[in-house]
Amino acid sequence: KAGVTQTPRYLIKTRGQQVTLSCSPISGHRSVSWYQQTPGQGLQFLFEYFSETQRNKGNFPGRFSGRQFSNSRSEMNVSTLELGDSALYLCASSSTGENEKLFFGSGTQLSVL
Amino acid sequence: SQQGEEDPQALSIQEGENATMNCSYKTSINNLQWYRQNSGRGLVHLILIRSNEREKHSGRLRVTLDTSKKSSSLLITASRAADTASYFCATVPLGSWGKLQFGAGTQVVVTP
Repeated sequence: KAGVTQTPRYLIKTRGQQVTLSCSPISGHRSVSWYQQTPGQGLQFLFEYFSETQRNKGNFPGRFSGRQFSNSRSEMNVSTLELGDSALYLCASSSTGENEKLFFGSGTQLSVL
Repeated sequence: SQQGEEDPQALSIQEGENATMNCSYKTSINNLQWYRQNSGRGLVHLILIRSNEREKHSGRLRVTLDTSKKSSSLLITASRAADTASYFCATVPLGSWGKLQFGAGTQVVVTP
């Protein structure tokens, strides 16, 4: 079974731009969640989707948004990028998203200049 | 904000030695999980312990959970150079979906 696939692996953007990151979960997994990892704040939960519905959301500004498609693939979008958005963005999938272990992708390293 | 603290922040040991790291958390949980992360990569799930369990083993890993103290420990026995990584505990709050609350992590270096 293929693992969680995130694209692109690296991304460089400038302040004010927007960016879209993509995540393909493990086949059969319907829950996709997103995390931001920075040296200062560590790993922080962004949001979780299940069957195209956002069920849970972390404490991030509205510039961070996401969606999930009918095939469970997910995208997250960050608009009006700020320097502080530079981070490793990790996507994780699981069957139901409830009290289970998560399977993580390798992440997208975003640098905002 | 992060759920809890991990101790120590960093650990340096030699191959063959045991590595122990601790995690404390703040709220009631469904389960607690441990993950490993190699530099700049994704996290790999190691072990899950449910709130009604006190100890769990998986290969060279041993995890304990004390819900009265809101703490957990991860023991890696007979460490290998390949165990060099950051280790994170993550709690699953009651009533949450897909949301793990991570500690700050313990960076472990195993020297051959």
